[in-house]
Amino acid sequence: GAVVSQHPSRVICKSGTSVKIECRSLDFQATTMFWYRQFPKQSLMLMATSNEGSKATYEQGVEKDKFLINHASLTLSTLTVTSAHPEDSSFYICSACPTVSNQPQHFGDGTRLSIL
Amino acid sequence: AQSVTQLGSHVSVSEGALVLLRCNYSSSVPPYLFWYVQYPNQGLQLLLKYTSAATLVKGINGFEAEFKKSETSFHLTKPSAHMSDAAEYFCAVSDGSGAQKLVFGQGTRLTINP
Repeated sequence: GAVVSQHPSRVICKSGTSVKIECRSLDFQATTMFWYRQFPKQSLMLMATSNEGSKATYEQGVEKDKFLINHASLTLSTLTVTSAHPEDSSFYICSACPTVSNQPQHFGDGTRLSIL
Repeated sequence: AQSVTQLGSHVSVSEGALVLLRCNYSSSVPPYLFWYVQYPNQGLQLLLKYTSAATLVKGINGFEAEFKKSETSFHLTKPSAHMSDAAEYFCAVSDGSGAQKLVFGQGTRLTINP
């Protein structure tokens, strides 16, 4: 089945550090990838839609300069949390849509980010 | 605009009992509906999806859901709960466009009592 690899699975770092999270579709091409944020015991909130070869589309209230997204190839999207602060601590999940139509999104296993 | 409401943030059933997780949606266009399961510290796994074909959809792990347009519902059921079913369950809706942008419900935590 379709596999999405998200790396790293867990990050603990100091305030002010920038953190990069990778999302890779391992056995399919994905023109579109999504980045979600999930707070404890809450649902997933869409942060942005990442499109290969073009700028990401951010949801209302998400700072694009804070959460940099790059989708340089059909199998890789990255989310960089710049100058992270404790309030950025959360569970970040990516998903990838196969380029073939009518296929559902496939989710990565998430990255737990803890900012000290 | 689309939205999803999951009734009951926490459902508890006995092992072997019927599982019923409720989901109601709102959509201005014919919806695509999904149920996902999330285990602790993991991403989401697709259980099943409705894409305007059969209204009764069978998924993995013995789960099924029925699309009822008149009730704007897409409830998830399983005849007999298993301990391994304990997890968080999310209902989601999309407009079926190429972008497949999903709107998630609040989630329902399912607990299975031995």
